[in-house]
Amino acid sequence: KAGVTQTPRYLIKTRGQQVTLSCSPISGHRSVSWYQQTPGQGLQFLFEYFSETQRNKGNFPGRFSGRQFSNSRSEMNVSTLELGDSALYLCASSLASGSETQYFGPGTRLLVL
Amino acid sequence: QKEVEQNSGPLSVPEGAIASLNCTYSDRVSQSFFWYRQYSGKSPELIMSIYSNGDKEDGRFTAQLNKASQYVSLLIRDSQPSDSATYLCAVNRGTKAAGNKLTFGGGTRVLVKP
Repeated sequence: KAGVTQTPRYLIKTRGQQVTLSCSPISGHRSVSWYQQTPGQGLQFLFEYFSETQRNKGNFPGRFSGRQFSNSRSEMNVSTLELGDSALYLCASSLASGSETQYFGPGTRLLVL
Repeated sequence: QKEVEQNSGPLSVPEGAIASLNCTYSDRVSQSFFWYRQYSGKSPELIMSIYSNGDKEDGRFTAQLNKASQYVSLLIRDSQPSDSATYLCAVNRGTKAAGNKLTFGGGTRVLVKP
């Protein structure tokens, strides 16, 4: 079974721009969660989508948003990019929402200049 | 107090020895517990999940969970240089009703010296 895929793998943007990242979960997985990883803050939860609905949201500003499609693929969007948004953005999928095991994709490394 | 705490390391162990990693968590209602391994520049890779008190073994890895003490540990037996990585403890207090509430510790860096 193919794993979680994320596109693009690397991205360079400038302050003020916006960016959209994509995640395709493992086949059959319906829950997709997004995380931000930085050296200073570690791995932080952004939000979870299940059945096209946002279930939970972490402590991030409204510039961070996401959505999920009927095929469980998910996108996250960051508007008005700031230098501090430079990070590794990770998507993880699980069979269902809740306490299920999550499997991570390779991540998208975003650099904001 | 952080929700999930780990010693940042580095934990230096000789090849062939046992590496012992510890993790404590603050929320007693936590349901499931995970250890992930992350190599530099890569994404986290699941090593082990554990849901009930006691030990769970998988190859050279053993996870131990003690919910009363809010403590979960990972033992790596016969450590190999390829085990050198950062190990992330993750605790999920989510439920089907509430959704995912997975929180990560800061990770313990392990160095296995030949």
